[in-house]
Amino acid sequence: AQKITQTQPGMFVQEKEAVTLDCTYDTSDQSYGLFWYKQPSSGEMIFLIYQGSYDEQNATEGRYSLNFQKARKSANLVISASQLGDSAMYFCNVDRGSTLGRLYFGRGTQLTVWP
Amino acid sequence: DTGVSQDPRHKITKRGQNVTFRCDPISEHNRLYWYRQTLGQGPEFLTYFQNEAQLEKSRLLSDRFSAERPKGSFSTLEIQRTEQGDSAMYLCASSPPSQETQYFGPGTRLLVL
Repeated sequence: AQKITQTQPGMFVQEKEAVTLDCTYDTSDQSYGLFWYKQPSSGEMIFLIYQGSYDEQNATEGRYSLNFQKARKSANLVISASQLGDSAMYFCNVDRGSTLGRLYFGRGTQLTVWP
Repeated sequence: DTGVSQDPRHKITKRGQNVTFRCDPISEHNRLYWYRQTLGQGPEFLTYFQNEAQLEKSRLLSDRFSAERPKGSFSTLEIQRTEQGDSAMYLCASSPPSQETQYFGPGTRLLVL
Protein backbone atom coordinates (compact mmCIF):
# COMPACT_ATOMS: atom_id res chain seq x y z
CA ALA A 1 0.00 0.00 0.00
CA GLN A 2 1.00 3.57 -0.48
CA LYS A 3 2.00 5.72 2.49
CA ILE A 4 2.50 9.45 2.82
CA THR A 5 4.48 11.19 5.55
CA GLN A 6 4.20 14.89 6.19
CA THR A 7 6.42 15.61 9.18
CA GLN A 8 5.41 19.25 9.70
CA PRO A 9 2.03 19.50 11.39
CA GLY A 10 2.30 23.29 11.30
CA MET A 11 4.37 25.84 9.42
CA PHE A 12 4.54 29.62 9.69
CA VAL A 13 5.82 32.00 7.05
CA GLN A 14 5.79 35.72 6.61
CA GLU A 15 3.96 37.19 3.67
CA LYS A 16 6.07 37.40 0.48
CA GLU A 17 8.56 34.85 1.75
CA ALA A 18 9.01 31.37 0.27
CA VAL A 19 8.13 28.22 2.20
CA THR A 20 8.79 24.52 1.67
CA LEU A 21 6.35 21.86 2.82
CA ASP A 22 7.88 18.42 3.18
CA CYS A 23 6.47 15.17 1.88
CA THR A 24 7.90 11.69 1.67
CA TYR A 25 6.08 8.72 0.30
CA ASP A 26 6.41 5.00 0.13
CA THR A 27 5.14 3.00 -2.79
CA SER A 28 6.06 -0.21 -4.50
CA ASP A 29 4.60 0.94 -7.80
CA GLN A 30 6.96 1.92 -10.59
CA SER A 31 4.48 4.32 -12.14
CA TYR A 32 2.63 6.74 -9.92
CA GLY A 33 1.51 10.31 -9.63
CA LEU A 34 2.21 12.83 -6.91
CA PHE A 35 -0.21 15.60 -6.05
CA TRP A 36 -0.52 18.48 -3.71
CA TYR A 37 -3.88 19.77 -2.62
CA LYS A 38 -4.81 22.77 -0.50
CA GLN A 39 -7.75 22.73 1.89
CA PRO A 40 -8.85 26.09 3.29
CA SER A 41 -11.06 26.28 6.34
CA SER A 42 -14.11 26.13 4.06
CA GLY A 43 -13.26 22.46 3.49
CA GLU A 44 -12.97 22.26 -0.28
CA MET A 45 -9.94 20.39 -1.58
CA ILE A 46 -8.18 22.46 -4.23
CA PHE A 47 -5.75 20.85 -6.66
CA LEU A 48 -2.39 22.66 -6.84
CA ILE A 49 0.21 20.64 -8.73
CA TYR A 50 0.95 17.21 -10.18
CA GLN A 51 4.17 15.31 -10.85
CA GLY A 52 4.37 12.02 -12.70
CA SER A 53 6.96 9.57 -11.48
CA TYR A 54 8.58 9.45 -14.92
CA ASP A 55 8.67 13.20 -15.39
CA GLU A 56 12.28 14.31 -15.44
CA GLN A 57 11.59 17.95 -14.77
CA ASN A 58 10.11 19.28 -11.58
CA ALA A 59 6.54 20.46 -12.01
CA THR A 60 5.71 24.13 -11.65
CA GLU A 61 2.36 25.92 -11.53
CA GLY A 62 2.61 29.63 -10.98
CA ARG A 63 3.93 30.20 -7.46
CA TYR A 64 3.96 26.47 -6.74
CA SER A 65 6.79 24.15 -7.60
CA LEU A 66 7.39 20.56 -6.67
CA ASN A 67 10.89 19.51 -5.63
CA PHE A 68 10.79 15.87 -6.75
CA GLN A 69 13.60 13.57 -5.63
CA LYS A 70 12.61 10.13 -6.82
CA ALA A 71 15.45 8.18 -5.24
CA ARG A 72 14.62 9.71 -1.86
CA LYS A 73 10.89 9.32 -2.48
CA SER A 74 10.46 12.95 -1.64
CA ALA A 75 8.04 15.46 -3.20
CA ASN A 76 8.31 18.76 -1.36
CA LEU A 77 6.06 21.68 -2.27
CA VAL A 78 7.67 25.09 -2.58
CA ILE A 79 5.43 28.14 -2.42
CA SER A 80 7.15 31.31 -3.50
CA ALA A 81 6.03 34.79 -2.49
CA SER A 82 3.52 33.59 0.10
CA GLN A 83 0.19 35.38 0.32
CA LEU A 84 -2.23 35.63 3.22
CA GLY A 85 -4.68 33.56 1.21
CA ASP A 86 -2.22 30.67 1.20
CA SER A 87 -3.08 29.96 4.83
CA ALA A 88 -4.65 26.52 4.71
CA MET A 89 -4.05 22.83 5.25
CA TYR A 90 -1.84 21.28 2.59
CA PHE A 91 -1.99 17.61 1.67
CA CYS A 92 0.51 15.57 -0.28
CA ASN A 93 -0.90 12.58 -2.14
CA VAL A 94 0.24 9.69 -4.22
CA ASP A 95 -1.85 7.57 -6.51
CA ARG A 96 -1.07 4.37 -8.26
CA GLY A 97 -1.06 6.07 -11.62
CA SER A 98 -2.44 3.00 -13.29
CA THR A 99 -5.83 1.43 -12.99
CA LEU A 100 -7.39 2.49 -9.76
CA GLY A 101 -6.32 6.07 -9.26
CA ARG A 102 -7.32 6.41 -5.67
CA LEU A 103 -5.43 8.99 -3.68
CA TYR A 104 -3.58 8.26 -0.46
CA PHE A 105 -3.45 11.30 1.77
CA GLY A 106 -1.03 12.20 4.54
CA ARG A 107 -2.10 14.00 7.69
CA GLY A 108 -1.38 17.37 6.16
CA THR A 109 0.56 20.49 7.09
CA GLN A 110 -1.24 23.56 8.40
CA LEU A 111 0.38 26.62 6.83
CA THR A 112 -0.15 30.02 8.39
CA VAL A 113 0.98 33.12 6.53
CA TRP A 114 1.36 36.21 8.67
CA PRO A 115 1.65 39.81 7.49
CA ASP B 1 -20.45 26.74 -11.97
CA THR B 2 -18.96 23.72 -13.70
CA GLY B 3 -17.19 22.20 -10.71
CA VAL B 4 -18.11 19.13 -8.70
CA SER B 5 -21.20 19.78 -6.63
CA GLN B 6 -22.42 18.00 -3.53
CA ASP B 7 -25.73 18.11 -1.77
CA PRO B 8 -26.46 18.74 1.01
CA ARG B 9 -23.54 20.75 2.27
CA HIS B 10 -24.44 20.04 5.87
CA LYS B 11 -26.51 17.32 7.50
CA ILE B 12 -27.39 16.79 11.13
CA THR B 13 -29.11 13.56 12.00
CA LYS B 14 -29.92 11.41 14.98
CA ARG B 15 -28.15 8.14 15.56
CA GLY B 16 -29.93 5.28 13.83
CA GLN B 17 -31.33 7.36 10.98
CA ASN B 18 -30.46 6.85 7.33
CA VAL B 19 -28.85 9.61 5.28
CA THR B 20 -28.15 9.98 1.59
CA PHE B 21 -25.67 12.32 -0.06
CA ARG B 22 -25.48 13.26 -3.70
CA CYS B 23 -22.50 14.12 -5.86
CA ASP B 24 -22.64 15.62 -9.35
CA PRO B 25 -19.26 15.33 -11.05
CA ILE B 26 -17.88 17.62 -13.69
CA SER B 27 -19.46 16.90 -17.06
CA GLU B 28 -17.55 14.34 -19.12
CA HIS B 29 -15.67 13.03 -16.09
CA ASN B 30 -16.02 9.27 -16.17
CA ARG B 31 -14.35 8.52 -12.82
CA LEU B 32 -15.89 9.38 -9.49
CA TYR B 33 -14.52 8.91 -6.00
CA TRP B 34 -15.85 9.17 -2.47
CA TYR B 35 -13.63 9.99 0.48
CA ARG B 36 -14.29 10.51 4.18
CA GLN B 37 -12.39 13.02 6.28
CA THR B 38 -12.50 13.20 10.06
CA LEU B 39 -11.22 16.10 12.11
CA GLY B 40 -7.44 16.47 12.00
CA GLN B 41 -6.96 13.76 9.41
CA GLY B 42 -6.47 13.60 5.70
CA PRO B 43 -9.26 12.15 3.59
CA GLU B 44 -9.61 8.38 3.41
CA PHE B 45 -10.69 6.60 0.29
CA LEU B 46 -14.12 4.97 0.38
CA THR B 47 -15.05 3.90 -3.12
CA TYR B 48 -14.44 4.50 -6.81
CA PHE B 49 -16.61 4.36 -9.94
CA GLN B 50 -15.62 4.29 -13.54
CA ASN B 51 -18.76 5.23 -15.40
CA GLU B 52 -21.50 3.23 -13.67
CA ALA B 53 -19.24 0.42 -12.48
CA GLN B 54 -18.09 0.42 -8.87
CA LEU B 55 -14.53 -0.81 -9.25
CA GLU B 56 -13.24 -0.65 -5.72
CA LYS B 57 -14.55 -0.37 -2.19
CA SER B 58 -12.47 0.31 0.88
CA ARG B 59 -12.92 -1.91 3.91
CA LEU B 60 -13.93 1.34 5.61
CA LEU B 61 -17.15 1.01 3.65
CA SER B 62 -19.04 -1.23 6.03
CA ASP B 63 -22.28 -2.93 5.09
CA ARG B 64 -24.14 0.13 6.37
CA PHE B 65 -22.65 2.15 3.52
CA SER B 66 -23.71 1.86 -0.08
CA ALA B 67 -22.83 3.94 -3.10
CA GLU B 68 -24.37 3.99 -6.54
CA ARG B 69 -23.82 5.68 -9.84
CA PRO B 70 -26.67 4.24 -11.88
CA LYS B 71 -26.29 6.19 -15.11
CA GLY B 72 -22.62 6.96 -14.91
CA SER B 73 -23.29 10.58 -14.06
CA PHE B 74 -24.26 11.60 -10.51
CA SER B 75 -23.59 9.34 -7.55
CA THR B 76 -25.26 8.79 -4.20
CA LEU B 77 -23.75 7.63 -0.94
CA GLU B 78 -26.16 6.22 1.61
CA ILE B 79 -25.41 5.49 5.23
CA GLN B 80 -27.92 3.34 7.05
CA ARG B 81 -28.39 3.25 10.81
CA THR B 82 -25.95 6.10 11.34
CA GLU B 83 -23.57 6.01 14.28
CA GLN B 84 -21.78 8.87 16.00
CA GLY B 85 -18.52 7.62 14.48
CA ASP B 86 -19.92 8.39 11.04
CA SER B 87 -19.65 12.11 11.79
CA ALA B 88 -17.21 13.42 9.20
CA MET B 89 -16.84 15.37 6.00
CA TYR B 90 -17.75 13.28 2.96
CA LEU B 91 -15.88 14.40 -0.12
CA CYS B 92 -16.60 13.53 -3.71
CA ALA B 93 -14.10 13.92 -6.53
CA SER B 94 -14.12 13.29 -10.24
CA SER B 95 -11.54 13.00 -12.95
CA PRO B 96 -11.68 12.90 -16.74
CA PRO B 97 -10.52 10.05 -18.94
CA SER B 98 -6.76 9.68 -19.25
CA GLN B 99 -5.98 12.21 -16.53
CA GLU B 100 -4.97 11.47 -12.98
CA THR B 101 -5.95 14.74 -11.37
CA GLN B 102 -9.04 14.53 -9.17
CA TYR B 103 -11.24 17.56 -8.73
CA PHE B 104 -13.07 17.74 -5.44
CA GLY B 105 -16.46 19.04 -4.49
CA PRO B 106 -17.15 21.19 -1.42
CA GLY B 107 -18.03 18.18 0.70
CA THR B 108 -20.97 17.25 2.89
CA ARG B 109 -20.45 17.69 6.62
CA LEU B 110 -22.34 15.06 8.57
CA LEU B 111 -23.01 15.31 12.28
CA VAL B 112 -24.63 12.36 13.99
CA LEU B 113 -26.10 13.19 17.39
